[in-house]
Amino acid sequence: GAGVSQSPSNKVTEKGKDVELRCDPISGHTALYWYRQSLGQGLEFLIYFQGNSAPDKSGLPSDRFSAERTGGSVSTLTIQRTQQEDSAVYLCASKQTGDLFYEQYFGPGTRLTVT
Amino acid sequence: AQSVAQPEDQVNVAEGNPLTVKCTYSVSGNPYLFWYVQYPNRGLQFLLKYITGDNLVKGSYGFEAEFNKSQTSFHLKKPSALVSDSALYFCAVRDASGNNRLAFGKGNQVVVIP
Repeated sequence: GAGVSQSPSNKVTEKGKDVELRCDPISGHTALYWYRQSLGQGLEFLIYFQGNSAPDKSGLPSDRFSAERTGGSVSTLTIQRTQQEDSAVYLCASKQTGDLFYEQYFGPGTRLTVT
Repeated sequence: AQSVAQPEDQVNVAEGNPLTVKCTYSVSGNPYLFWYVQYPNRGLQFLLKYITGDNLVKGSYGFEAEFNKSQTSFHLKKPSALVSDSALYFCAVRDASGNNRLAFGKGNQVVVIP
């Protein structure tokens, strides 16, 4: 079946512009995560959605970052007034439920470059 | 706070030799542990997990990992490495913040030399 998809695969933007990154999770998966992967760094948790519960936003690095998940499916990560330090690969993952013992399925990521 | 340590930045191994990627963890409560692999320009792929039961866990592509509670380790192993195993490997442990998320290590680059 279809896996997690993300778009665009690459995004180059000028400093100060806003960007939107999209994630389409696996159908039926109720849990959705956003991570940031910087060069030489591990995965940095950003935000977590589970069903209709309030999202866990505790990993968002600043108020320039926001995310929403419409209809319990597609999610959009928005970065306002981008900075060069926002350059990274943004990964989305989904899984069946919020239970920890289920593994996450990752999308291919969006590589964001802020010039 | 939950954390994972992957002490080696890069692991070099000759093709056909055993491969070990080290991971130690710190967690309170049940240590749900995972290994993921990332090939170039791809997302992470699940390899295996330890939740409960046998300490030796077998996963995809011939990989296995051994949970050692006394040493708080979950090292990934493969008896005979292939060139195609060259990738970035991440260990992860449950984050007991109560928010159902994982804490990932910084990753280990594995290079299998032909």
